[in-house]
Amino acid sequence: DQQVKQNSPSLSVQEGRISILNCDYTNSMFDYFLWYKKYPAEGPTFLISISSIKDKNEDGRFTVFLNKSAKHLSLHIVPSQPGDSAVYFCAEGGATNKLIFGTGTLLAVQP
Amino acid sequence: DAGVTQSPTHLIKTRGQHVTLRCSPISGHKSVSWYQQVLGQGPQFIFQYYEKEERGRGNFPDRFSARQFPNYSSELNVNALLLGDSALYLCASSLAPGQGAYNYGYTFGSGTRLTVV
Repeated sequence: DQQVKQNSPSLSVQEGRISILNCDYTNSMFDYFLWYKKYPAEGPTFLISISSIKDKNEDGRFTVFLNKSAKHLSLHIVPSQPGDSAVYFCAEGGATNKLIFGTGTLLAVQP
Repeated sequence: DAGVTQSPTHLIKTRGQHVTLRCSPISGHKSVSWYQQVLGQGPQFIFQYYEKEERGRGNFPDRFSARQFPNYSSELNVNALLLGDSALYLCASSLAPGQGAYNYGYTFGSGTRLTVV
């Protein structure tokens, strides 16, 4: 059974510091991972993706790292801003075209 | 440009009742997917439709059904509601199943919050 886990339900960081959000997966046959950000009362918003053939993808303050041997990926946000405070989900995508989401991590960036 | 629109935004139903949730995809998008997000969990895939055909179904009971209309809007129907069906129901659209997912992600609506009492 494919699983995607985010073992940290919450994370608190100071403004300007680095936020690192982690995600573990079990399925080796994925095509890509997506990271979504979700504010209360809104739908998830796409942030950044990484392909199974890459180990890093960067977009502005956001960088995602993929470690296939450890079946682990992480999202780095540098520098963190108060507006980054939200729930972050990683989601696995592949040939079935459905997304398998993790349970989410609530990030709080303290001013 | 309108994004993915869902209606209603909130809904309260009684156990055993039936509910219909609606979704209009982004203009030009022909694929719609439905997800259920229970409190404290990530969204879970329910259905995917493309060109009015079901293209995928998640691990949900037959009480859940959906359809897609010629204008690509979609309805999710849930019969014989249970307390455990209380959740945020999200609709996502894309040009076609998987198309653009890596570059742009699927675009989600704000969801319908269903409460079953």
